[in-house]
Amino acid sequence: DQQVKQNSPSLSVQEGRISILNCDYTNSMFDYFLWYKKYPAEGPTFLISISSIKDKNEDGRFTVFLNKSAKHLSLHIVPSQPGDSAVYFCAASLPFYGQNFVFGPGTRLSVLP
Amino acid sequence: DTAVSQTPKYLVTQMGNDKSIKCEQNLGHDTMYWYKQDSKKFLKIMFSYNNKELIINETVPNRFSPKSPDKAHLNLHINSLELGDSAVYFCASSSLGQGSTNEKLFFGSGTQLSVL
Repeated sequence: DQQVKQNSPSLSVQEGRISILNCDYTNSMFDYFLWYKKYPAEGPTFLISISSIKDKNEDGRFTVFLNKSAKHLSLHIVPSQPGDSAVYFCAASLPFYGQNFVFGPGTRLSVLP
Repeated sequence: DTAVSQTPKYLVTQMGNDKSIKCEQNLGHDTMYWYKQDSKKFLKIMFSYNNKELIINETVPNRFSPKSPDKAHLNLHINSLELGDSAVYFCASSSLGQGSTNEKLFFGSGTQLSVL
């Protein structure tokens, strides 16, 4: 039972353009969402998070949008840079049980120079 | 000075063998985890320890036994390795339980286990 879905296994974007990575979830009890970035042969590293009380969170070139009614979140990267090429994982956690983060399968982003 | 370090990075072994993966964190976190990334690339939690106490134990075969000698270390021992155990295993830590309600995981670089 896949509670966090990332339906695009891969995405290619031109350098300088916007990258939009999507994530859908099925459990309406999830209240905290995170995006992780992973380079080959390295562990995932935290990128940005959002609590369910917000619908947007920005950090530099990265913005996460949350649409609770649609159970959908997206990560926008503007402008995209070649160094952003990596696998991006969406994760979600339940209230009072934040020690169990449920991850999506990831989307491989390729930013072309 | 890596925050979460795990060894070895690569582990190739025969079916039926017993092996261990070690993990250490120097972040002062109380909570440590083992995640498994399977062939479909899903990251799934296996175990979580808070202050050396087992908190989460997902449906993992008994052949997998975590051991936490202190809160900075969480090792994973696997008995009687099977072909299906081949995966990348990630150790992680977080400060959850230390007063924070929303926290993030800090991951090690992973151990690629190949069972032949």
